[in-house]
This record gives sequence, C-alpha cells and structure tokens, in this order.
Amino acid sequence: GDSVTQMEGPVTLSEEAFLTINCTYTATGYPSLFWYVQYPGEGLQLLLKATKADDKGSNKGFEATYRKETTSFHLEKGSVQVSDSAVYFCALTATNTGNQFYFGTGTSLTVIP
Amino acid sequence: DGGITQSPKYLFRKEGQNVTLSCEQNLNHDAMYWYRQDPGQGLRLIYYSQIVNDFQKGDIAEGYSVSREKKESFPLTVTSAQKNPTAFYLCASSISGLATDTQYFGPGTRLTVL
Repeated sequence: GDSVTQMEGPVTLSEEAFLTINCTYTATGYPSLFWYVQYPGEGLQLLLKATKADDKGSNKGFEATYRKETTSFHLEKGSVQVSDSAVYFCALTATNTGNQFYFGTGTSLTVIP
Repeated sequence: DGGITQSPKYLFRKEGQNVTLSCEQNLNHDAMYWYRQDPGQGLRLIYYSQIVNDFQKGDIAEGYSVSREKKESFPLTVTSAQKNPTAFYLCASSISGLATDTQYFGPGTRLTVL
C-alpha cells in the first residue's frame, strides 16, 4: 500500500546550518506530497506541498522538489533558525486510495543558538 | 478568523467511560477528519467524512464513533471499547477531500485515561 518513510531524528543543528530531512514514498497512483510542521502542543500546519512530478514547493525558506524518478520529496533549508525547532512530517495522498493522507513518523528538529 | 477549534485541550477519563471530543470548523469545508497521534509515531486516521451525514472508517476505527449532522461539526466519541485511548487527537478539514487539497488542522485534544 501507499506509505511514506522519513529519516529518523532527532536532528540537532546550530543556527544558520543547512537542513535536509529525507522523505521517500511508495505509491501506486499519482500522489500529492506535503510537508507539515508541528510545534510543541499544537496541531499541524502546512509548510509546503507539490501536486505533480518536478513541482517545487517552497515557504518560509524551506523547499522540497517532487522527484518521481527517485520517489522522494526531501525538505531543505539553507540557514535554519532557532524558531524552526519543531517536528516535521512528510505526507502523501492519492486518488486511488480514496484521497486518504498517509503521514511519516515525523522528524524532530532542534536548532541551537 | 476562519479556522478549526477543538475542545477541550486536555481531557481526563476514567476507564470504562465514553467521552466525546469536539471539532468545529468555520472554513466551509466539506471534508473533515480525525487522527490519533502517539509519541514518536505519525498520524493515524480514525474516521473521515466528505459530506454531511456520511463518514467512513479509517485505519484504526475500532472503539471510536463519529457523527456528521452539520457541515461545520464532526465530534468523535471514544468508547470504553477502545483499549488504549490515551493519545493526542487531531481534527482536520479540507475543502472537498480531493487528493490535492491541503488539510487544515485544529490545535488538538490530549486525552488521558486514569
């Protein structure tokens, strides 16, 4: 069935470091891909999304490109800030699975000054 | 402001009791969802509804029940049949439930069984 695999955390970086969080997916149809962010004690917020191959989603300095050939949607940011500390979830949804969202297990990021 | 509200933020329940979690949205979205989040795990879908008076089971529906009598409301009841109900519960909605739609999440309810 459809699924998402994220790199395991936790990830700890110094401020202004480069961030990559890997996400790969398995899907039989044509999925849309999402990155959500969760701050402590809160719900999830959409960070960015891409709905077809080669699309690049971007928001707040974060980027991810939908790579069909490698079935990946890696999240990147060139210079992280302390305020980026949160848990990041990769997710997919596809029409052939009733549009159900499948979430990865989440990657915890801590940015230290 | 448009958004999704969940109440209460924290909920305590004794074993053997049913409890209902509230979810309301004023985004005029057709589709609504309930997820369960456990520590170190992703979200798992409990139930979803794409239209009023209709809903479908997700991956972990056993021990839960829902209703969708109004477009803006999708309450979740955690019954005594749910063996391990302590978790963080998240409600979400989307415009129409299409695969390309973004899901918008509420702030969550943390349920603890005493």
